[in-house]
Amino acid sequence: GENVEQHPSTLSVQEGDSAVIKCTYSDSASNYFPWYKQELGKGPQLIIDIRSNVGEKKDQRIAVTLNKTAKHFSLHITETQPEDSAVYFCAASKSNTGKLIFGQGTTLQVKP
Amino acid sequence: NAGVTQTPKFRILKIGQSMTLQCAQDMNHNYMYWYRQDPGMGLKLIYYSVGAGITDKGEVPNGYNVSRSTTEDFPLRLELAAPSQTSVYFCASSYSNNEQFFGPGTRLTVL
Repeated sequence: GENVEQHPSTLSVQEGDSAVIKCTYSDSASNYFPWYKQELGKGPQLIIDIRSNVGEKKDQRIAVTLNKTAKHFSLHITETQPEDSAVYFCAASKSNTGKLIFGQGTTLQVKP
Repeated sequence: NAGVTQTPKFRILKIGQSMTLQCAQDMNHNYMYWYRQDPGMGLKLIYYSVGAGITDKGEVPNGYNVSRSTTEDFPLRLELAAPSQTSVYFCASSYSNNEQFFGPGTRLTVL
């Protein structure tokens, strides 16, 4: 079945720096790749997603890139702020079932 | 809209007890899901449903059952609780294969 690997498990940056989180997936049929942010004690919340027919998507300080050939996708956060501190999860799915396979998560700490 | 609601927020069970985790959504989403999240880990799909009367297994279905009699509700049943089922349970819903909206979670401890 599908497997999603996420790195790094923890990431600490200074406020204003950029942060990059990377994920690889195993099933070449996967076609939907969302990123979720989870704050302590809350459920995950979608921050950006990308489908396999595009290579990059941006939303203000957040961007996602997808390399279908290499089967990896990355989350880029620029000008990080303390409120960006959270756990970030990548995920992948295929077909129309919506079944998401999640990565293990990255704990991002932004130091003021 | 309340979005996705889950009850209870917390529960402690003894080994062998049973319980039902409730999930409801008011967004008229056709797809609903149950995940579990163990400490420091990602979410694992337990069961999902693409519409009322239709359910299917996810990655970790053993020890759980679901039903989907209405569009709004998707309860998760634990029949014989085991310590391995100690986890945080999240329900989610979506309109087809699009953004999934998550509930606040139920923290379950089995002693």
